[in-house]
Amino acid sequence: AQSVAQPEDQVNVAEGNPLTVKCTYSVSGNPYLFWYVQYPNRGLQFLLKYITGDNLVKGSYGFEAEFNKSQTSFHLKKPSALVSDSALYFCAVRDIKQGEAAGNKLTFGGGTRVLVKP
Amino acid sequence: DAGITQSPRHKVTETGTPVTLRCHQTENHRYMYWYRQDPGHGLRLIHYSYGVKDTDKGEVSDGYSVSRSKTEDFLLTLESATSSQTSVYFCAISKLGTGGYNEQFFGPGTRLTVL
Repeated sequence: AQSVAQPEDQVNVAEGNPLTVKCTYSVSGNPYLFWYVQYPNRGLQFLLKYITGDNLVKGSYGFEAEFNKSQTSFHLKKPSALVSDSALYFCAVRDIKQGEAAGNKLTFGGGTRVLVKP
Repeated sequence: DAGITQSPRHKVTETGTPVTLRCHQTENHRYMYWYRQDPGHGLRLIHYSYGVKDTDKGEVSDGYSVSRSKTEDFLLTLESATSSQTSVYFCAISKLGTGGYNEQFFGPGTRLTVL
């Protein structure tokens, strides 16, 4: 079984300050990890992913995420937050072993709302 | 943009009525998914399809059925809607991304209210 936890329902940060959104995961094998963002009244947009390789992954809109295998975490970060970053952020995981036979299914965390204040 | 559209985008219905939501894709992807999004629960998988007439249940499939008679269309049906099915419904497709692994891309969503 695979699972994802986003321990914070909401994160508040001042514009220009660094932003961190936390995510921890559980899979039986190696993880395939994603971050998605949802702006108000929109669908989910892909931000970045981790498969293998460098633990620091860079994505869209200046976001990056750090994979930490020992802590089973994949925290999303942005060095300097913008008001326009205010949105709902979702972390998702798939066990790489799962593959097509199990439908390439993702498991999502509950989401973290980010509010960036001017 | 993975060429995914959903219809209707908004619907209000009454308890006990049947409802069908449509997901349409233009890129002939094999895998399609239906999720519901509720506060505090993130996205939960309802059903998915791995080909024409091939479907399987997700974690919250009770009260929902699906059909896929054509590659491009994946229908979600609530046979008898209940207030607990008030939610935002997202369709997704899975396609090969960089790195050789499948990634999911999402439609714009359908907001369903059951009174």
